[in-house]
Amino acid sequence: DAGITQSPRHKVTETGTPVTLRCHQTENHRYMYWYRQDPGHGLRLIHYSYGVKDTDKGEVSDGYSVSRSKTEDFLLTLESATSSQTSVYFCAISDGWVSTDTQYFGPGTRLTVL
Amino acid sequence: AQKITQTQPGMFVQEKEAVTLDCTYDTSDPSYGLFWYKQPSSGEMIFLIYQGSYDQQNATEGRYSLNFQKARKSANLVISASQLGDSAMYFCAMRGFEMDSSYKLIFGSGTRLLVRP
Repeated sequence: DAGITQSPRHKVTETGTPVTLRCHQTENHRYMYWYRQDPGHGLRLIHYSYGVKDTDKGEVSDGYSVSRSKTEDFLLTLESATSSQTSVYFCAISDGWVSTDTQYFGPGTRLTVL
Repeated sequence: AQKITQTQPGMFVQEKEAVTLDCTYDTSDPSYGLFWYKQPSSGEMIFLIYQGSYDQQNATEGRYSLNFQKARKSANLVISASQLGDSAMYFCAMRGFEMDSSYKLIFGSGTRLLVRP
């Protein structure tokens, strides 16, 4: 198994509060990703990183920001959580960016915004 | 735009029988990769199998094989000799070769497979 951990694994928060989710890898992979999973949508990319301090937006990035100050850590922040951000969040890593590079996923974080 | 379609929201299969999960895709990229992931009830996403668009042979990994028909743009997952532990959600995904699309996976909506004893 790829060494990917996510914290917290479960979180309940209230609308308007900031939330930070952490992804930590021990594989020294360059690329890291944040996805969200909602019923009927599969997984959708929020943000990704192609190196330390190098990040870019995915298809559903509104309301989210990310930071990567070390190779092993990728943080996802909800500046002011809304109920529409209730979801399961997955971090993924890959060694390269070409289509043959498999993305390996962390265990997920279940976030509920009340 | 890239798109993955999984038309079977749910399927049943008898234990020890084979089952095919359908996946069709749409892309304008000349080269791409196709992936299948398994998500059991515990929630993690487990990589199963990969097929490259230029691969001449269908990919196989143990009991999993990918029936790749490029002209029809389909990449169906075949699970042989189903086991109770195969009960899970299965996602088909695609990734392009081109720089502006290769960074992400595009997922289908998934197929829930239930294996009957």
